Parts: sequence; C-alpha cells; structure tokens
Amino acid sequence: QQQVKQSPQSLIVQKGGISIINCAYENTAFDYFPWYQQFPGKGPALLIAIRPDVSEKKEGRFTISFNKSAKQFSLHIMDSQPGDSATYFCAAASGGYQKVTFGIGTKLQVIP
Amino acid sequence: SAVISQKPSRDICQRGTSLTIQCQVDSQVTMMFWYRQQPGQSLTLIATANQGSEATYESGFVIDKFPISRPNLTFSTLTVSNMSPEDSSIYLCSVAGGPFNTEAFFGQGTRLTVV
Repeated sequence: QQQVKQSPQSLIVQKGGISIINCAYENTAFDYFPWYQQFPGKGPALLIAIRPDVSEKKEGRFTISFNKSAKQFSLHIMDSQPGDSATYFCAAASGGYQKVTFGIGTKLQVIP
Repeated sequence: SAVISQKPSRDICQRGTSLTIQCQVDSQVTMMFWYRQQPGQSLTLIATANQGSEATYESGFVIDKFPISRPNLTFSTLTVSNMSPEDSSIYLCSVAGGPFNTEAFFGQGTRLTVV
C-alpha cells in the first residue's frame, strides 16, 4: 500500500518557470510533511516542511501548499534554476521520532 | 543539524557474501533508521535501531538478512547478508534531529553493487 502518492515522476521546466510537484496521503495520523531534495550520489536533504495546522509555508523560492481536507500537499518552486535539478521526495511522518514514509520521487530537470 | 558519516560510500561485492555498513553520528541519538533506495526508486525503511535493544524491522525485511547492531548512542551497523544482485541499492542511515526532534537527517548513503 503506497501511503504517499507523488506525481509527476519526472518534470522538465524552463529556467525561470514554476515547478509544481503534487502529493497525496492516506493516513490521517500523519502530522508532519517534509520535502527532501536529493542530488546524485548524495543522501536526501530536508528542503522545507509543514504541519497540518497551516495551509501554506514559504521559504525563499520554495512554497508548500497543504490541503488537509483533501489530504494533499504540493511543492512549488518559483523562478526555477538549473541548480534546482534534482530528485524531490515528498514525505509524511507521525510522532516525535521521524520514521518517514516517502513518495516515489520526482526527477526535476530545469533547462536553460 | 546532525552530521552522519557512512562507510563505505560504495562497494562492489560478490553474490553470496556479506557487507557491513557503518553509520557514525556526531551527537547522541536515541533512534537510528536504516533505509534502502533501489535504483530509480524511493526510500524504503528497513528497520529502526534503538540502543540496547533489538532492531524493529519493517514488513518484508528480516533480521537474518539485515542484522543490525546498535552498541551505543552514536553508532550503528547494518549487514547485508548472503547478497544477491537484487540487493544492489543505496543504503542510507538516518537519525531524527532539529529543535523538536522532528527532522530526519541522512548520511550520504552506501552504494552497493552485487555481481
């Protein structure tokens, strides 16, 4: 059972455009929704995270939108840059210790 | 943030052999997590390792295949036993951290190829 569904699996965006990655979850016990960025040969690194008591969180060019009733959340990357080219994982977790359930990942390519 | 070091960073192993992966954290942590990332796939939790107790394995993973040690609060090992080509993956160590212990930090991973 895939607890966190992520789409699309790959995405090509022009430099300066908006990259949008969508995720949906099933387990209502999840209370923490991080996004991870992974470059080839590296472990995932936390990019931005949100809790379900807010509908949006913005950090620089990265914004998470969260819809608790629909059990959906999305990552928006504004003014996408070639350096943003990486694999992005949405995830969900519950409890104080972060045993994280990951989405399948989105390979983003930002072309000049 | 926690700094996690994994060894080895990569290895090529013969089928039927075993490989032990080490994970060292720069601070004391209660729980350490081991993940597997198969080629082009997402991360799947293998087990959770507490210091002083047996690891808790997720569905589909067993102790005989992936024995884990957790001798102290900064170190853990994962062994991939009796390897087959299907075990070729990236294995990642993770710990919880941050101001509210709600962030997951990852090592750089161990890229294992079984031939």
